[in-house]
Amino acid sequence: DAKTTQPPSMDCAEGRAANLPCNHSTISGNEYVYWYRQIHSQGPQYIIHGLKNNETNEMASLIITEDRKSSTLILPHATLRDTAVYYCIVNRAGTSGTYKYIFGTGTRLKVLA
Amino acid sequence: DAGITQSPRHKVTETGTPVTLRCHQTENHRYMYWYRQDPGHGLRLIHYSYGVKDTDKGEVSDGYSVSRSKTEDFLLTLESATSSQTSVYFCAISEGTGGSGNTIYFGEGSWLTVV
Repeated sequence: DAKTTQPPSMDCAEGRAANLPCNHSTISGNEYVYWYRQIHSQGPQYIIHGLKNNETNEMASLIITEDRKSSTLILPHATLRDTAVYYCIVNRAGTSGTYKYIFGTGTRLKVLA
Repeated sequence: DAGITQSPRHKVTETGTPVTLRCHQTENHRYMYWYRQDPGHGLRLIHYSYGVKDTDKGEVSDGYSVSRSKTEDFLLTLESATSSQTSVYFCAISEGTGGSGNTIYFGEGSWLTVV
């Protein structure tokens, strides 16, 4: 089963790029990498996901290494509102072809003014 | 925002009493999930459903049961609540299985306190 490892906390200066790493060395070939964030006690918010290729959307970029054992979420210009807990997750096979989204403890990102 | 409604949003109950949390969706998504969140543990999957009457266990299913009699509703029941089940409970939904790269969307949470 794929598991993820993230640093517990990071700081980033406002306006700078925030690079959040994630290790998923046991990922299988058909398992996607997802990133979510949670602000205060709100429900987690989807950011981005990918399988093999790098991905970009209006919120962030996802860089996945060629061997897929790690990835980096990039927030290009961090703002104070990006202060949150960021979760890197890998979906794992469950029953009858379904997949379970298993979260870890995440990285607490603090954006500093 | 995904059409997910959790009820109740806040509840205080006594040890040993049964408690049911309800998750209602308006998206007609096939998959529904229940997570709990505790300090130091992140989000942990309790149970999930991949269709009406089809459910499977997650990481921390002991002490919990679920039911899904129709697509839009997924119920989480604590048969006999204990203080260790004091937590924030999140419901989530997804259109398809994660094997196809489908994303999941979360509700706003239900705060349960067992005294």
